[in-house]
Amino acid sequence: QVQLQESGPRLVKPSETPSLTCTVSGGSVRSSDYFWGWIRQPPGKGPQWIGSMFHSGSTYYNPSLKSRVTISVDTSKNQFSLRLNSVTAADTAVYYCVRHGAFPHWYFDLWGRGTLVTVSS
Amino acid sequence: EIVLTQSPGTLSLSPGERATLSCRASQSLGNSYLAWYQQKPGQAPRLLIYGASNRATGVPDRFSGSGSGADFTLTISRLEPEDFAVYHCQHYGTSPFTFGPGTKVDIK
Repeated sequence: QVQLQESGPRLVKPSETPSLTCTVSGGSVRSSDYFWGWIRQPPGKGPQWIGSMFHSGSTYYNPSLKSRVTISVDTSKNQFSLRLNSVTAADTAVYYCVRHGAFPHWYFDLWGRGTLVTVSS
Repeated sequence: EIVLTQSPGTLSLSPGERATLSCRASQSLGNSYLAWYQQKPGQAPRLLIYGASNRATGVPDRFSGSGSGADFTLTISRLEPEDFAVYHCQHYGTSPFTFGPGTKVDIK
């Protein structure tokens, strides 16, 4: 079955611009049935949708993060990525890559295991 | 941005009991675009319900969702040991798609 796996730095310094990558296995990021996205969850809080993309390159971002976020796809590697500019301690969270259907079915039916990113000097 | 409020914050029940969880939106959700997720410690959320009342693939029928407008409910008819977890609701009708803070169902 389709699985998602996040990878990237676990500890970053304030003001840095980390990138996280999600590798899709058992399926294709070029599927026309699905969008791919990122969600984060600060410790002890509810999840927050960061943004999503379609394999064509179309992207959709949470307005609260739009100025600092870029989501991109590498179809040759069956991966998609998240870049978050100028991080602060408030960006400390578990970051999940996710899958969802086309609008309006934007509920998240597949999640990666998540990776904790800690922002600290 | 639509804000989701969940109540109670914590629900303490015994196995076999019925659990009723509430999710209230700051404005009416058109077409009942609301989902429920179960999250266990150290794990990613798992989709339980979408469209307010449709069970996701593989979800036991003791889980049911209901509601419309701005008020939604997740009911677990008889709690099994593996059901003790945190439950989040999420709306997906309009961007940004937001989640509630969660209701923790713990063992009494």
